[in-house]
Amino acid sequence: GAGVSQSPSNKVTEKGKDVELRCDPISGHTALYWYRQSLGQGLEFLIYFQGNSAPDKSGLPSDRFSAERTGGSVSTLTIQRTQQEDSAVYLCASSLEGASADTQYFGPGTRLTVL
Amino acid sequence: AQSVTQPDIHITVSEGASLELRCNYSYGATPYLFWYVQSPGQGLQLLLKYFSGDTLVQGIKGFEAEFKRSQSSFNLRKPSVHWSDAAEYFCAVGNTGFQKLVFGTGTRLLVSP
Repeated sequence: GAGVSQSPSNKVTEKGKDVELRCDPISGHTALYWYRQSLGQGLEFLIYFQGNSAPDKSGLPSDRFSAERTGGSVSTLTIQRTQQEDSAVYLCASSLEGASADTQYFGPGTRLTVL
Repeated sequence: AQSVTQPDIHITVSEGASLELRCNYSYGATPYLFWYVQSPGQGLQLLLKYFSGDTLVQGIKGFEAEFKRSQSSFNLRKPSVHWSDAAEYFCAVGNTGFQKLVFGTGTRLLVSP
């Protein structure tokens, strides 16, 4: 079946602009995660959605970052007033129920470059 | 706080040779442990995971890993490496009540002919 998809695959933007990154999880998966992969910081958790519960935003690095998940499916990660340090690969993952031992299935990522 | 250490940044192995990638974690209770592989330009693919039971875990592509509580380790092994195994390997830890994964910094595997 279809895996996790992300769009765009690459995004180049100018400093100060807003960007939106999209994630389509595996159908039927109730949990969705965003991670960031950068050279200096490795793989970092950003945010977690589970069903209709309030999201866990504990990993968002600043208030310029926000995410929403509409209809329990598609998610959008928004970065406002982008900075050069936001340049990274943004990975989305989904899992069946969000349990700690569940396998998280990752998408191919969106590579964001802030000039 | 949980943490994961992968002490080897790069490893080069000859094709056909055996492989062991090291992973040490820091967590008080029994963790959930994962190994993921990332090929260039790709997302992360799960190789195997441990959360209870037999401490020797078999995964895909001929990989296995052994959970050793006394050493806080979860090393990944493969008896014979293929050129297609060249990739970056990440160890990760999760635990009950925390849905996020904490990743190590990764080990890049190079396979020489």
